[in-house]
Amino acid sequence: QKEVEQNSGPLSVPEGAIASLNCTYSDRGSQSFFWYRQYSGKSPELIMSIYSNGDKEDGRFTAQLNKASQYVSLLIRDSQPSDSATYLCAAPSLGQNFVFGPGTRLSVLP
Amino acid sequence: GAGVSQSPRYKVAKRGQDVALRCDPISGHVSLFWYQQALGQGPEFLTYFQNEAQLDKSGLPSDRFFAERPEGSVSTLKIQRTQQEDSAVYLCASSLEGLPYEQYFGPGTRLTVT
Repeated sequence: QKEVEQNSGPLSVPEGAIASLNCTYSDRGSQSFFWYRQYSGKSPELIMSIYSNGDKEDGRFTAQLNKASQYVSLLIRDSQPSDSATYLCAAPSLGQNFVFGPGTRLSVLP
Repeated sequence: GAGVSQSPRYKVAKRGQDVALRCDPISGHVSLFWYQQALGQGPEFLTYFQNEAQLDKSGLPSDRFFAERPEGSVSTLKIQRTQQEDSAVYLCASSLEGLPYEQYFGPGTRLTVT
């Protein structure tokens, strides 16, 4: 059973701080990694994808991938109350279906 | 451009009724996925189409669940003889190519079985 694990939270950070979300995966064959944001009552929205070891930055978001340690993280700089949501990690293997983690609930406190 | 659309957005069914949920993917997207999401959980894979071919249906929970995509665009997920445990949000996603590329989700259909 391929697994993706996340701390369910809630993770609370003050406005303006850096939020750090972590995800570990069990399948060494995973080739690509995705972070989705899901607001309460809404569907998941793709915010970042990463395919290579290292960091990938997009605005206030940075995804970090370490294939040797089998973890991927998402950093949100200058966190805003509007970032409060559940963040889902997905780590499919080539040709395999998406397995989503349970999600980490982030709360950014004004 | 238009995103993934799903209908109906909400469906209430009495136990034992059949329901049909529709998904209209992003134009030109080859792959289409159905997921089931229970409250407080991540989406759980149900089935996957590449064009009109159903390549994986391993996630369908029982033979009461059936999905089709006859012309390689619109897809329908049908649940026969609904049970209370079928109550969930059903999400559809599409992808420009096959796995493991980015998937884009529709708004979902919230099914409540009473």
